[in-house]
Amino acid sequence: GDSVTQMEGPVTLSEEAFLTINCTYTATGYPSLFWYVQYPGEGLQLLLKATKADDKGSNKGFEATYRKETTSFHLEKGSVQVSDSAVYFCALSDRGADGLTFGKGTHLIIQP
Amino acid sequence: DAGITQSPRHKVTETGTPVTLRCHQTENHRYMYWYRQDPGHGLRLIHYSYGVKDTDKGEVSDGYSVSRSKTEDFLLTLESATSSQTSVYFCAIRDGGSQETQYFGPGTRLLVL
Repeated sequence: GDSVTQMEGPVTLSEEAFLTINCTYTATGYPSLFWYVQYPGEGLQLLLKATKADDKGSNKGFEATYRKETTSFHLEKGSVQVSDSAVYFCALSDRGADGLTFGKGTHLIIQP
Repeated sequence: DAGITQSPRHKVTETGTPVTLRCHQTENHRYMYWYRQDPGHGLRLIHYSYGVKDTDKGEVSDGYSVSRSKTEDFLLTLESATSSQTSVYFCAIRDGGSQETQYFGPGTRLLVL
């Protein structure tokens, strides 16, 4: 079946550091890929998405490129801020109406 | 804002009691989902609905039932709550016009004692 693997953390960085959160997936079809962010005490917010190979999703300075050859969708940001502290989830949608398959989430902590 | 509300937002109950959680949407989306979030597991699909009275099971459906008698409401029922069902429950809708993107409600934190 489908699966998503991501580093769980916590990942601790200093403000203005470069961020990479790795995400790899296994899917039977041609999935759409998503990154969601969850701030403390809140629900999940869509951060970015990509629906086909080589697409790049971007939002709020975050980027991720759909790499079919390496089955990856790594999240990057050039300069993180304290306000980026949150839990980040990688997810895929492979079968249309069925639900999303999520990774376990990566807890990111940014220190001033 | 996808117009999704969940109620209650917090609930404490005792083992063996039935519990119903409600998800309400205001934008007439066809697809609705229930997930649970647990440490070390991410989010896992419990049940989903693809229309009024049309539902199907997800990965972790045992001990849960759902109902959807009108488009805007999707109910999740724990028939007889157990401590293993202590979790945070999220409802989501799927926006059919934006390539399978799902949008999530604020969540319900459930504690089963």
